[in-house]
Amino acid sequence: QKEVEQNSGPLSVPEGAIASLNCTYSDRGSQSFFWYRQYSGKSPELIMFIYSNGDKEDGRFTAQLNKASQYVSLLIRDSQPSDSATYLCAVTHQGGKLIFGQGTELSVKP
Amino acid sequence: GAVVSQHPSRVICKSGTSVKIECRSLDFQATTMFWYRQFPKQSLMLMATSNEGSKATYEQGVEKDKFLINHASLTLSTLTVTSAHPEDSSFYICSATRDPMAETQYFGPGTRLLLL
Repeated sequence: QKEVEQNSGPLSVPEGAIASLNCTYSDRGSQSFFWYRQYSGKSPELIMFIYSNGDKEDGRFTAQLNKASQYVSLLIRDSQPSDSATYLCAVTHQGGKLIFGQGTELSVKP
Repeated sequence: GAVVSQHPSRVICKSGTSVKIECRSLDFQATTMFWYRQFPKQSLMLMATSNEGSKATYEQGVEKDKFLINHASLTLSTLTVTSAHPEDSSFYICSATRDPMAETQYFGPGTRLLLL
């Protein structure tokens, strides 16, 4: 079993819709969870991090964490074509290392 | 801000060449830097963790004699791919944390290495 799992997609949503990206992790001791966005040929850029159970909102983005279910998600409201990218879920591991999922490719159609 | 730069952005060279990649934190001191490798359509794989003034910690399966890491100052870490071969062609990305207790990593723009 992979330590961090994401559906590779592609996930296709129409412009203006809500995009829902999901991630599960195997290490119950993980404390910190991150979402990065990566455009093709570029390096990842941080979107959000979440440490506590529940929701955390930042503009059009909402991260949701459920430690009991070992599940973290990212919602993107009012999706725009510029949101089309690969979204990487990352979880901290022992020693502060980040373990990345394989990423979900999101395509927002105009 | 938390800006991390990498140089060069792209390298094309002959098989057998050694290639050095620099990673700099421009507006903060980075006690810890990380080196990742990403193959096409795959996720980032951590290669090593680099702490200023000490030896790097390599992940299982990463050859420390092939991938030399030096973290000589709080703003600079270098990765040297020695005697690089076509299978080493990849996207190499560094990241840095702003303070020893921080977990958020800020990524450099990456270096695309192509061996012919």
